[in-house]
Amino acid sequence: KNEVEQSPQNLTAQEGEFITINCSYSVGISALHWLQQHPGGGIVSLFMLSSGKKKHGRLIATINIQEKHSSLRITASHPRDSAVYICAAPPHRGSNYQLIWGAGTKLIIKP
Amino acid sequence: DGGITQSPKYLFRKEGQNVTLSCEQNLNHDAMYWYRQDPGQGLRLIYYSQIVNDFQKGDIAEGYSVSREKKESFPLTVTSAQKNPTAFYLCASSIGSEQPQHFGDGTRLSIL
Repeated sequence: KNEVEQSPQNLTAQEGEFITINCSYSVGISALHWLQQHPGGGIVSLFMLSSGKKKHGRLIATINIQEKHSSLRITASHPRDSAVYICAAPPHRGSNYQLIWGAGTKLIIKP
Repeated sequence: DGGITQSPKYLFRKEGQNVTLSCEQNLNHDAMYWYRQDPGQGLRLIYYSQIVNDFQKGDIAEGYSVSREKKESFPLTVTSAQKNPTAFYLCASSIGSEQPQHFGDGTRLSIL
């Protein structure tokens, strides 16, 4: 079982729909990262959070440390949101430089 | 603007050859990382460096080597010992271990 698991693996939605991507982890972590990988391969860091909620534009990330679960939500989705969304976490014990990576959720927003 | 530059974008290697991928950052970050990504899979850490003149193996270091002689530069050499080098390679940097990582645009390596 992967220590960081994402669901769903693939998600296709219509423009304007509300999107939720989930990330569950089985290890104790100090923080969780959400990143976006564009179709060309470039990766952008979206959020890093250790508690509560963070918001940036139409993106909202939440984390529940007790339940070991985080969600990334996109409101009013747009075709330009099409990308792979990845969660990653540094282990609670061990080097914080060695993130544990989820396999990613491939999101396609159709116009 | 500050950022991370990886070059080249596409690289072809003949079997038995070593090849070096370049990664340069002007963000004044102490930490740098090399990842490998295979189609449909997550990132795997090859090597990371916390500071100049220091580096540690990641999960899949066999067949790879790195150096960190300057803060700005962290080149990755894919040696002939790496039997399956075809992949997408990403370089990243961060201020420290508990800060977000900034990524380059990647290098796609293929075997001729």
